[in-house]
Amino acid sequence: RKEVEQDPGPFNVPEGATVAFNCTYSNSASQSFFWYRQDCRKEPKLLMSVYSSGNEDGRFTAQLNRASQYISLLIRDSKLSDSATYLCVVNRGDYKLSFGAGTTVTVRA
Amino acid sequence: GAVVSQHPSRVICKSGTSVKIECRSLDFQATTMFWYRQFPKQSLMLMATSNEGSKATYEQGVEKDKFLINHASLTLSTLTVTSAHPEDSSFYICSLYKPGGSYEQYFGPGTRLTVT
Repeated sequence: RKEVEQDPGPFNVPEGATVAFNCTYSNSASQSFFWYRQDCRKEPKLLMSVYSSGNEDGRFTAQLNRASQYISLLIRDSKLSDSATYLCVVNRGDYKLSFGAGTTVTVRA
Repeated sequence: GAVVSQHPSRVICKSGTSVKIECRSLDFQATTMFWYRQFPKQSLMLMATSNEGSKATYEQGVEKDKFLINHASLTLSTLTVTSAHPEDSSFYICSLYKPGGSYEQYFGPGTRLTVT
């Protein structure tokens, strides 16, 4: 079983739409969780950390469900610039990260 | 500005040759750096942890004699792919974290290696 699993998508949505997707992780001892964004052929960039109580950063909302071991990301009022691959990332401990394969989102005009 | 640099950004080499990739921390000293590899449409996979002044630690399944890591200073780690083969063609990315900070990691821009 992979450490982090994501729905690969793609999610094709019109501008202004809301899109949401999840990931699951296998290690119940994981402590830190993140969403990274990766544009084509570029390095990952931190989008937001995910906290137990859920957190929001502008149009982005992240939720963590420790009991079910899943993390979600919701994007409201999608922009064309939101088109990217979103990586679910879990800290394995000692700063080592496990990455999901990514969920591709395409926002169309 | 950039926190991490990598060089080269792209390299094409012939099968059997060795390739060195540099990862530099630009803003702070990094006693630990990480090397990842990403094949097309796959996730980043941690290859090894580079430790300044000591041996690197490798993830299961990663050959330490093939992927040589040298962390000679607090701002530079190098990854050498020895006797490269076409199956080593991949996107290699380094990362580091700020000591005393959060778990956020800073990634280099990556090196795209193509072995012909």
